Amino acid sequence: GQNIDQPTEMTATEGAIVQINCTYQTSGFNGLFWYQQHAGEAPTFLSYNVLDGLEEKGRFSSFLSRSKGYSYLLLKELQMKDSASYLCAVREVNAGKSTFGDGTTLTVKP
Amino acid sequence: DTAVSQTPKYLVTQMGNDKSIKCEQNLGHDTMYWYKQDSKKFLKIMFSYNNKELIINETVPNRFSPKSPDKAHLNLHINSLELGDSAVYFCASSQFVSVTGERYNEQFFGPGTRLTVL
Repeated sequence: GQNIDQPTEMTATEGAIVQINCTYQTSGFNGLFWYQQHAGEAPTFLSYNVLDGLEEKGRFSSFLSRSKGYSYLLLKELQMKDSASYLCAVREVNAGKSTFGDGTTLTVKP
Repeated sequence: DTAVSQTPKYLVTQMGNDKSIKCEQNLGHDTMYWYKQDSKKFLKIMFSYNNKELIINETVPNRFSPKSPDKAHLNLHINSLELGDSAVYFCASSQFVSVTGERYNEQFFGPGTRLTVL
């Protein structure tokens, strides 16, 4: 089974940088995803890490350390539209299943 | 040209009724999922089908019965609805193994069905 932990809520200021952490325990790690979900909408894919290191995609970056069971999502130059829930999801060796964390609600303030 | 579609978008019904939610994807994916997201926004997987075969069946009451007539469709039937079934149900799809052999497995979600049981 899996145990995924994320902070419940975070607040940041427009233009700033915020880091959302995710720790996990799994019997067979096979990839980690970050999804963004705006209120009342469906989750949408942001990033994927399967090897250690940093994956950069525009203002968003995601980092993975498999030995520490740790990932973070880094959002730079925050915009008001970045206010959303950010979900960390860990895929098991059986690639048919990804387990989602409970999500981090990010509020960006002017 | 919607990638993953669900019907209906909203469903309001009485306790004890039976209802169905339909999902279709036109992405050519071979794996489809049903998730339940409750009022606390926790997203929990319920079922997953790969090539019409059930591969994931989490601890879900047997009042919930998924059915996949083909790779592009995954429906969810719920019998004897209860108050606790009120939630948003998301359908999703992914490609189990990509054409390059990678198990990338990014999931594409439908818009959700908001079920309210009165």
